[in-house]
Amino acid sequence: DVKVTQSSRYLVKRTGEKVFLECVQDMDHENMFWYRQDPGLGLRLIYFSYDVKMKEKGDIPEGYSVSREKKERFSLILESASTNQTSMYLCATGVLSSGNTIYFGEGSWLTVV
Amino acid sequence: SQELEQSPQSLIVQEGKNLTINCTSSKTLYGLYWYKQKYGEGLIFLMMLQKGGEEKSHEKITAKLDEKKQQSSLHITASQPSHAGIYLCGADGGGSNYKLTFGKGTLLTVNP
Repeated sequence: DVKVTQSSRYLVKRTGEKVFLECVQDMDHENMFWYRQDPGLGLRLIYFSYDVKMKEKGDIPEGYSVSREKKERFSLILESASTNQTSMYLCATGVLSSGNTIYFGEGSWLTVV
Repeated sequence: SQELEQSPQSLIVQEGKNLTINCTSSKTLYGLYWYKQKYGEGLIFLMMLQKGGEEKSHEKITAKLDEKKQQSSLHITASQPSHAGIYLCGADGGGSNYKLTFGKGTLLTVNP
């Protein structure tokens, strides 16, 4: 089974703090993704990476950056956390071809106070 | 950009009843993915449909893809409390093999 591990399940941070959300996958996939999920808005793609050190903006990249130094690890960075970034963050990995799919981690609940 | 509309937004059924959730796309579907999510947790992959008219089943859950209508349906037979959760459809818009766009989800409650 594919394993996608998000390092923190629950975090509480103060406004203005720098926040790191870590994600590790064990399937040697090239593609990795960060989504956020909010009530009434569903899942929205923040950033994705299709190779080490390669990244592309998703639908809502503002206020976020990412880092992919190793293939198995994809980090989401909030440079200066704000209350409107309180959300559930989901990391995913996989490829949409030949009957494959994208697999998700268990999510990280971030509260910014 | 592709948009997916799910209906209903929420659903409450008695245990043992059948139910259907729909997912309609604003553009042609190249691949349609169904996931289930327990509140506060990650998404669990259920099924993927790629061909028009395709139908797949897993235990008591059946999903169909009507390519002409750009629509998919998820049907649960004889629902159980374990089926409760949020069901999300995701679509591959074609042209790239790495990005899924999701509907907003359907919240299913199954009362014992």
